Amino acid sequence: EAQVTQNPRYLITVTGKKLTVTCSQNMNHEYMSWYRQDPGLGLRQIYYSMNVEVTDKGDVPEGYKVSRKEKRNFPLILESPSPNQTSLYFCASSLIAGAYNEQFFGPGTRLTVL
Amino acid sequence: GQQLNQSPQSMFIQEGEDVSMNCTSSSIFNTWLWYKQDPGEGPVLLIALYKAGELTSNGRLTAQFGITRKDSFLNISASIPSDVGIYFCAVTSGTYKYIFGTGTRLKVLA
Repeated sequence: EAQVTQNPRYLITVTGKKLTVTCSQNMNHEYMSWYRQDPGLGLRQIYYSMNVEVTDKGDVPEGYKVSRKEKRNFPLILESPSPNQTSLYFCASSLIAGAYNEQFFGPGTRLTVL
Repeated sequence: GQQLNQSPQSMFIQEGEDVSMNCTSSSIFNTWLWYKQDPGEGPVLLIALYKAGELTSNGRLTAQFGITRKDSFLNISASIPSDVGIYFCAVTSGTYKYIFGTGTRLKVLA
């Protein structure tokens, strides 16, 4: 089944403890992206990747890192999480970049930073 | 950053009623997208609009790309309980960036 998977689905952690949220897609998509969803703010783009080894900042990149060493994986790294990074995170992918190509979203990761 | 403002923020409607929501921006965009997020899941694309003035339907959903290219509208006819969720508009900023709206939360009373 074609899909975007994220792990973990739920995570509670403490301030400053490094964590990684994994994202994987099995559709051979070139474009991948991370978003955070907060009440009243909608979804905001954190980082995106146009292809392997090519990444760039979205609107809210502060406090996050990403890497794209393989086409199928696009992990989101929080080196030193803070409470303001408590949010619902979504990974998405599309065949290539651009609005003519539908983005497929993962199921989400709910992160709580205490 | 740029923002897309959606209204209403939330709405409660009776099953069978029609629904209208809109999305506005202070900037011009060349593509407007509408997504639906079911409870506990990721957003799913409903309709994509690529031309100013364009009216596109997908079943009971109809969306329009505003003639000024600064707004878009989504209508749902004869709502049913499975229409419940959050509806987002979105645009592309350049080729690689996406901007999403603040969302309209829809609740349908049977």
